[in-house]
Amino acid sequence: QSVLTQPPSVSAAPGQKVTISCSGSSSNIGSNYVSWYQQLPGTAPKLLIYDNNKRPSGIPDRFSGSKSGTSATLGITGLQTGDEADYYCGTWDSSLTADVFGTGTKVTVL
Amino acid sequence: EVQLVESGGGLVQPGGSLRLSCAASGFTFTNYWMHWVRQAPGKGLVWVSRINIDASSTRYADSVKGRFTISRDNAKNTFYLQMNSLRAEDTGVYYCTREDGWYRSFDSWGQGTLVTVSS
Repeated sequence: QSVLTQPPSVSAAPGQKVTISCSGSSSNIGSNYVSWYQQLPGTAPKLLIYDNNKRPSGIPDRFSGSKSGTSATLGITGLQTGDEADYYCGTWDSSLTADVFGTGTKVTVL
Repeated sequence: EVQLVESGGGLVQPGGSLRLSCAASGFTFTNYWMHWVRQAPGKGLVWVSRINIDASSTRYADSVKGRFTISRDNAKNTFYLQMNSLRAEDTGVYYCTREDGWYRSFDSWGQGTLVTVSS
């Protein structure tokens, strides 16, 4: 149903790096800002990245975002057990005239 | 501190109605567009609806258009989601959220309220 596609899961050992992709189209990622959200188990989502690559105050620089064409990527370095969560990309879709979220990616720290 | 507190969730039969409320504090409510986002059990986030600062413009996901109505009372720093003709697929946690005006990101979220549509 979602117009933004993410891998269902990624995993890595503590201290390692993971990247999460978000694939869209010219009407969403290709022409609008991308945000990323972290949802820890049993809690509300939290803004992690906005404007493709900017971090709100309080978000550590272990989290980074990038965008190229119709895809975006979230990177997490120095992986910690506290990073185990679901991560969602989000943007505006100009054709649907609606806000859209990605399918979500579960990060597991091995 | 920015706070968004939802209320009004509960168990309702198919075809029934509920009104969700979201009380905002810690910021100038009239400066922000506000949204509802929902999450079915074990599923991802889905945008539901949004309202602009003076309620002159609203927008809905196709799945709820004609059944849900978003509104706001700026004097009470509160906005609402009136949900009618509820269906089983409307079941989930409903989050209220604030939109950052420049980048269309959702920079603050409530804790969520659970809506269960079941007979």
